Amino acid sequence: ILNVEQSPQSLHVQEGDSTNFTCSFPSSNFYALHWYRWETAKSPEALFVMTLNGDEKKKGRISATLNTKEGYSYLYIKGSQPEDSATYLCAPDLSTGFQKLVFGTGTRLLVSP
Amino acid sequence: EPEVTQTPSHQVTQMGQEVILRCVPISNHLYFYWYRQILGQKVEFLVSFYNNEISEKSEIFDDQFSVERPDGSNFTLKIRSTKLEDSAMYFCASSGGGGLTDTQYFGPGTRLTVL
Repeated sequence: ILNVEQSPQSLHVQEGDSTNFTCSFPSSNFYALHWYRWETAKSPEALFVMTLNGDEKKKGRISATLNTKEGYSYLYIKGSQPEDSATYLCAPDLSTGFQKLVFGTGTRLLVSP
Repeated sequence: EPEVTQTPSHQVTQMGQEVILRCVPISNHLYFYWYRQILGQKVEFLVSFYNNEISEKSEIFDDQFSVERPDGSNFTLKIRSTKLEDSAMYFCASSGGGGLTDTQYFGPGTRLTVL
């Protein structure tokens, strides 16, 4: 069983706060890590795909880092806004062939005005 | 911006009935996937599809499940004889390539309720 864990499970912050979440995954058979942002009743929105140890990606106020040797990734949100409220999913690709994403449980973020 | 669409958004069926969930992937994409999320659980991979063949499937994807690309635009998931435990949100995804850095774009999902 491939165990992908995300923490915390949920987070409630105030507008303007910066926050970060963790995704941990098996470091063996690692090919890539995908981060998604998922609002209820909408399609999960792709944020980043990361492959190399030490990778850092940034999209606006959101950034992510990757450590493939120890099997974790951090997602950071700087200056959270209410529209950042969503569930953030990480999904490593641990397949040996075509992409087969293994999802974590997600971190549910609520940003209050 | 191109997007993956899925129909219907909600399907209710009786146990033992066949259901077909439909997806229209992004038009120039070549790789297609189905995932599902049972309420309160993680999103789980079901199957990947490329060049009109299943590339990989999970243990969940047993003989009751099948996928098809009947024409140039649709990608379907069929469950032959639904069980109560098939109740879940089913997501379709597509990617341009199967490479390491290719993004999978997800549809909004079909909620399947089996009574």
